[in-house]
Amino acid sequence: AQTVTQSQPEMSVQEAETVTLSCTYDTSESDYYLFWYKQPPSRQMILVIRQEAYKQQNATENRFSVNFQKAAKSFSLKISDSQLGDAAMYFCAYRSGTDDYKLSFGAGTTVTVRA
Amino acid sequence: NAGVTQTPKFQVLKTGQSMTLQCAQDMNHNSMYWYRQDPGMGLRLIYYSASEGTTDKGEVPNGYNVSRLNKREFSLRLESAAPSQTSVYFCASPKGPEQFFGPGTRLTVL
Repeated sequence: AQTVTQSQPEMSVQEAETVTLSCTYDTSESDYYLFWYKQPPSRQMILVIRQEAYKQQNATENRFSVNFQKAAKSFSLKISDSQLGDAAMYFCAYRSGTDDYKLSFGAGTTVTVRA
Repeated sequence: NAGVTQTPKFQVLKTGQSMTLQCAQDMNHNSMYWYRQDPGMGLRLIYYSASEGTTDKGEVPNGYNVSRLNKREFSLRLESAAPSQTSVYFCASPKGPEQFFGPGTRLTVL
């Protein structure tokens, strides 16, 4: 399995402020996908955003955006205008670009939003 | 369109008991996956099935068996449960380039 590292076990952010979650990964492949999943207390795994390695443009989904640095093997998630509903565990995940859909996950970052 | 469904949602077992976790998907995809989630470790792949009739070991297969019953269903069996198998179990299946996950099963082995 590929190694995915999330070095921040916990992050706290004030409501309406911005928080950035870090993720690094190790791979020798050139074709792959990176994902951020959100896991609220309900424990449902919810896809937040996806980045294809061949795309230079950083992915954006409403208040969520990524900073994809392919050479540095870094994939950070920025949550803008944080809302109370953003409080959750966030997982970074890697998938090879082959037909194999196996995911390698980081350990997760717990995000707390302060009202 | 339910996506990925899992049963049961919660289960408590005694050491040595057996049980089967059920998973079904209606996304008509060939691949299905079983992961376990433990605190501080993210999700780890237990077994997967790339197509009906095939199964392969993932990162942490010891103590588990799987059956790909048909294209829709993929079950995970614990033959003799151990406390180390206390975890949350997720089944997943792809849709497009992404994995969609079931709601999870919280299993406690006493």
